[in-house]
Amino acid sequence: AQSVTQLDSHVSVSEGTPVLLRCNYSSSYSPSLFWYVQHPNKGLQLLLKYTSAATLVKGINGFEAEFKKSETSFHLTKPSAHMSDAAEYFCVVSDHPGNNRKLIWGLGTSLAVNP
Amino acid sequence: EAQVTQNPRYLITVTGKKLTVTCSQNMNHEYMSWYRQDPGLGLRQIYYSMNVEVTDKGDVPEGYKVSRKEKRNFPLILESPSPNQTSLYFCASSPRTIHEQYFGPGTRLTVT
Repeated sequence: AQSVTQLDSHVSVSEGTPVLLRCNYSSSYSPSLFWYVQHPNKGLQLLLKYTSAATLVKGINGFEAEFKKSETSFHLTKPSAHMSDAAEYFCVVSDHPGNNRKLIWGLGTSLAVNP
Repeated sequence: EAQVTQNPRYLITVTGKKLTVTCSQNMNHEYMSWYRQDPGLGLRQIYYSMNVEVTDKGDVPEGYKVSRKEKRNFPLILESPSPNQTSLYFCASSPRTIHEQYFGPGTRLTVT
C-alpha cells in the first residue's frame, strides 16, 4: 500500500542554518512526489515536485529535494533558513498508473526558525 | 487571475442544519478535491472528482456529499452536520493529480 512518512513532526533551526525535513514513501509504481508549504493562517502552496525527470529538484524560495529511489526518500533541504520559512510542510506522493492518481499526504512537519 | 474560490470562509452552525460549502475554479481543471485539515492529522481527502459527473470517495467521506455538474464547480454538502465535522476545509483543483494542485483559501467550519 502507498504511504508517506514525515519523520519529524517538529523541526527547529536557527536563522542562517541548514534545513532538513525528511520524507519517506512506499510506492508500487513510479511515483510523483511533491512538497507543499502552509504558512500560518494561509492556504497551501506548491514548493516543488518530482515527476521522473531530474532526481534533484529545485523549488521556490531556495528549497530543493532529492529523489532517492534506493532509499525511498524525498527529503527537503535549504542551505540557510530564513525567518519567513517558519511554516508547516507536507510531503505528498501521487502513486498509481495513469495521469490521475490517488494522492497520499504526510502528516506534516512544523518548521520553527529561531532568531 | 487563476484561482480557486471557496465560500463561505468562516461558518458557525448547529448540529443537524444542512449546509453547503461552494468551490469554484476558473482554470478549466479536470481534477477537483476536498480536504479537511485537523491538528496532528494533516490533510485528509474527503471526496475527489476526475471530471464532470465523476466523483469518488477519499479517505474520510462519511457525513459528506459532493456533486460535479459543471467542470468549474465542486460543492461540498453536509446534510446533517455534527460537531466532529468542525474543521478547516480546503478545496483544490489541478489538470491531473500528477500536476500541481491549486488550493482555495480554506473554510473554517464550527458545528456546535
